[in-house]
Amino acid sequence: ELKVEQNPLFLSMQEGKNYTIYCNYSTTSDRLYWYRQDPGKSLESLFVLLSNGAVKQEGRLMASLDTKARLSTLHITAAVHDLSATYFCAVDGGLIFGTGTRLQVFP
Amino acid sequence: NAGVTQTPKFRVLKTGQSMTLLCAQDMNHEYMYWYRQDPGMGLRLIHYSVGEGTTAKGEVPDGYNVSRLKKQNFLLGLESAAPSQTSVYFCATGIVNSPLHFGNGTRLTVT
Repeated sequence: ELKVEQNPLFLSMQEGKNYTIYCNYSTTSDRLYWYRQDPGKSLESLFVLLSNGAVKQEGRLMASLDTKARLSTLHITAAVHDLSATYFCAVDGGLIFGTGTRLQVFP
Repeated sequence: NAGVTQTPKFRVLKTGQSMTLLCAQDMNHEYMYWYRQDPGMGLRLIHYSVGEGTTAKGEVPDGYNVSRLKKQNFLLGLESAAPSQTSVYFCATGIVNSPLHFGNGTRLTVT
């Protein structure tokens, strides 16, 4: 059974701190996507990772992909309140999503 | 340029009633998807389509049917609604190796 597991499921962090969200998957897919969802809203794309070793950065977020370990990470640098949202990873073009990581950033 | 439009936005059904959710896109994307989102469970794929006239089952297809008669439209039907189908439904479209574009969702309550 194809699985995509994220951890942690919930993350409460102080502004200015760093943290990493992990996405483990069981398929041999080499395509992985990260999305953000604000409460009550739809999902918006953050990153598309299409090959082993791919690294993408946007502002305080950086995503990477290790297809051999079947692991993607989303690293948050110097968190700010505006990053509070739920983050999802997805594999196989969107066929399977992780359960999401709800991030809360407090002062 | 509306992108991905879902109708209706909200709906309340009684158990056993039927309804159809419409997803319309003007992005000329080949792939279209229907998901449901429940608290603590992320998004689960119901059905998807890789082109006009084709559909396939996702992770949780039971109780739902779909049709893709035109490239721009993907319909999700509930023939006999059950309380377990209370959820938020999202439609998404995409092309190979590109991120999905999501609609704004339909909040469905079945009483």
